[in-house]
Amino acid sequence: DIQMTQSPSSLSASVGDRVTITCRTSQTIRNYLNWYQQKSGKAPQLLISAGYILQSGVPSRFSGSGSGTDFTLTISSLQPEDFATYYCQQSFSTPITFGQGTRLEIK
Amino acid sequence: QITLKESGPTLVKPRQPLTLTCTFSGFSLNTTGVSVGWIRQPPGKALEWLALIYWDDDTRYNPSLMSRLTITKDTSKNQVVVTMTNTDPVDTATYFCAHNYWGFDYWGQGTLVTISS
Repeated sequence: DIQMTQSPSSLSASVGDRVTITCRTSQTIRNYLNWYQQKSGKAPQLLISAGYILQSGVPSRFSGSGSGTDFTLTISSLQPEDFATYYCQQSFSTPITFGQGTRLEIK
Repeated sequence: QITLKESGPTLVKPRQPLTLTCTFSGFSLNTTGVSVGWIRQPPGKALEWLALIYWDDDTRYNPSLMSRLTITKDTSKNQVVVTMTNTDPVDTATYFCAHNYWGFDYWGQGTLVTISS
């Protein structure tokens, strides 16, 4: 199985801050990496697929980069609605695996 | 517009089977490249992928649960069904189904299933 390591596991930040979340995989997955945002009590929402492709309707302040084993999700200027939990997920091979999540909280 | 909705019991006794149905609209599971997956999330914990069924009837399972899971599809009804046998309180979770193409791009609202006597 491909192990996913997200960091940090939690993060406090302020509106307007630039935030970066990292996901590292235990083996290369090329660019088969997806990022999700999950708000409390809701289903996850796909933000970015294939490492960098912004999904329709997702604000441009979100961006993804990386390939191989190291990936990042960046939020360029935090907005109040961005405070949520973020997950990475690899789709390179089954079993599909998710990171443990990064909880983004208001400072 | 793609939508998915999970249905099934909210309470299951330990060791009893759990059957969940995902009813979807807005896409066909006959379309090349499309699959539907099941993902669960225990209260306060991370997402865990369970199973996937593809347009061509190929199925994939989480190895840690494979002996207990079966996923099937009924394209005429636009449904995907997952059955989990020999349930345990640790299987208490919100269960989601999701459309998968490049990532899980559409999700159901989820259904909370409690395993308890």
